[in-house]
Amino acid sequence: GAGVSQSPSNKVTEKGKDVELRCDPISGHTALYWYRQSLGQGLEFLIYFQGNSAPDKSGLPSDRFSAERTGGSVSTLTIQRTQQEDSAVYLCASSLGGVGIGFFGPGTRLTVL
Amino acid sequence: DQQVKQNSPSLSVQEGRISILNCDYTNSMFDYFLWYKKYPAEGPTFLISISSIKDKNEDGRFTVFLNKSAKHLSLHIVPSQPGDSAVYFCAASEDGGTSYGKLTFGQGTILTVHP
Repeated sequence: GAGVSQSPSNKVTEKGKDVELRCDPISGHTALYWYRQSLGQGLEFLIYFQGNSAPDKSGLPSDRFSAERTGGSVSTLTIQRTQQEDSAVYLCASSLGGVGIGFFGPGTRLTVL
Repeated sequence: DQQVKQNSPSLSVQEGRISILNCDYTNSMFDYFLWYKKYPAEGPTFLISISSIKDKNEDGRFTVFLNKSAKHLSLHIVPSQPGDSAVYFCAASEDGGTSYGKLTFGQGTILTVHP
């Protein structure tokens, strides 16, 4: 497809389980970002990848959260030992670089029971 | 600490009239501002942006105004159309050009344009 894709679209898990969320950015985009939106809140920055540079992880809320980007393309966000407060829509975005983000994916809605 | 605030959770406007969406920020280091539009079950899409060296940027029906002294920006949509009905997010960046996608978002305003 032409846009950013994310999978799964919905994920329901039990507290304490690990989850992996996948993002396929637009081909050729060097920058990739993860944000999350909790109920009633704005989007919260999590992590940013730019080319081969070390990622900016300053937004990750705890060490239970990690992300990697393989081959400069697909990215996986992993949440270990999920907690109920992790419930949110997790959004991935990509761009060619520069300020601002042009293209978000549809998001993965994570529900932790 | 909410550094970017959209104090109006919702706005209702008649088709053809002007929609004005407001956003306030507290961080004086922000120097680049963006507006995004989001439809249900879709990711936000970039709408328009403005650098702090300007006070106005226009793109078709959309105009963004920036008042740095008041730390306030607004998005004007005129004329409003039913297809503009969506959630609008304002976002801000520090050190424009180097902070790239690390944006701070407001909570969003739901705009409803009635036919």
